[in-house]
Order: sequence, then C-alpha cells, then structure tokens
Amino acid sequence: QSALTQPRSVSGSPGQSVTISCTGTSSDVGGYNYVSWYQQHPGKAPKLMIYDVSKRPSGVPDRFSGSKSGNTASLTISGLQAEDEADYYCCSYAGSYTLDVFGTGTKVTVL
Amino acid sequence: EVQLVQSGAEVKKPGESLKISCKGSGYSFTSYWIGWVRQMPGKGLEWMGIIYPGDSDTRYSPSFQGQVTISADKSISTAYLQWSSLKASDTAMYYCARLVDTAIYYWGQGTLVTVSS
Repeated sequence: QSALTQPRSVSGSPGQSVTISCTGTSSDVGGYNYVSWYQQHPGKAPKLMIYDVSKRPSGVPDRFSGSKSGNTASLTISGLQAEDEADYYCCSYAGSYTLDVFGTGTKVTVL
Repeated sequence: EVQLVQSGAEVKKPGESLKISCKGSGYSFTSYWIGWVRQMPGKGLEWMGIIYPGDSDTRYSPSFQGQVTISADKSISTAYLQWSSLKASDTAMYYCARLVDTAIYYWGQGTLVTVSS
C-alpha cells in the first residue's frame, strides 16, 4: 500500500486560505468516504481535524473544511492564523483487510 | 476523559529486545481498535498495526508484519508493541492511537525509541 500523495509544503499570509491536496487511488481515497486529516505541531502528537471527508470533531474551528473529488481529497484552511502553522497528514480507509494509509504530509507555513 | 498513556523513552542497543506499552482509560478498552503509528525522525506517519482488545484480532501493515508484535492485556487496559531484535532503523517516535470507526480520535503522547550502539 503506497502512501497518499500530498504537496511537500504550502504557505499563505494571515487571513488567506490555503488548500492541501491528498491524492490516492480508487482503492483508497476514491473508493470510500473515509478520509481523515491530522494536524501535528513540532514535538506534539497529531490531532484529528477532519473525519469522514468533511466532518469536524467537536472543538475544531470551522475554518477547517474537507472535501473530495474522485481520487483526491482536500483540506482547506480559511482565515489562516499563526497557530495553524504545522504539518498536516491525510489518511484514508483502504478496505477491510488492509490498514488505513497515511499521506506523505504537508508543511503549512504562515508568512 | 479518554486517555492513552504510553511508557517512557527507551535507549537500546542493536539486537536487544523491547516492549513498550499504552494504557487506556476513560472508556471501554475492549470495544475499540487500538494501534501503533511510527514516525521516524523528520518523516511522516506510518500505520504499523492494530488490535481489537475484545477478541485480540490483530492486523499488521505488510511493512511491519514479522518485524514487531502487537498485543493487549484487557485485564489492565494496556496495549503493547514489542521487538525481539532491534535495529538502528527502528529509531523513531511510536504513538499509540485509538480508532473510532476509521479515524484516530485519541493519541498517546508518544514513546521515543533510540537504538544505537
């Protein structure tokens, strides 16, 4: 199972929007509506930001939104804030007999 | 409050064995899949394997099958990750992670394993 493909880095100024893509195949991202996104600050454990493609857990700001089209899922951060600077990983379900697969990770820089 | 508390950092030599732990609290330990995620220095997240403590059903990523053993002791709500013979390439941060359906809602604080001669 290959890792999902994410851009290495994206950046934006405070208040702007950035979108991170996560490209897989019809066996993972394209085959199921089970994509999740995780935020990881340096030296910290990851934190769930989006699950089931577009749902937000309690406590996650509505500036974070998720979507999917075909084999590509996306995470959009609107109204970028300094504290959003972190690494972001997507993860997709890939079937009953295989483990979920993570993306390669994207570093978000707030300029 | 759901918590996953992992054992402390380890420094080992190549060839040594190791077992690290993750104690769950604040929920029914036997009712949720719990697994281990590796993060090598400066690298991304990788699923290693998962276990369902209720019946000990265990699944491994092909990359880790045969390299590690995942187990759980439901009497003390603790999951384990063990190696029989460590290599330098096992140096990494290891996170335990509790699934709700297909998302990781809860993470342990991480256990840093350093393997060096």
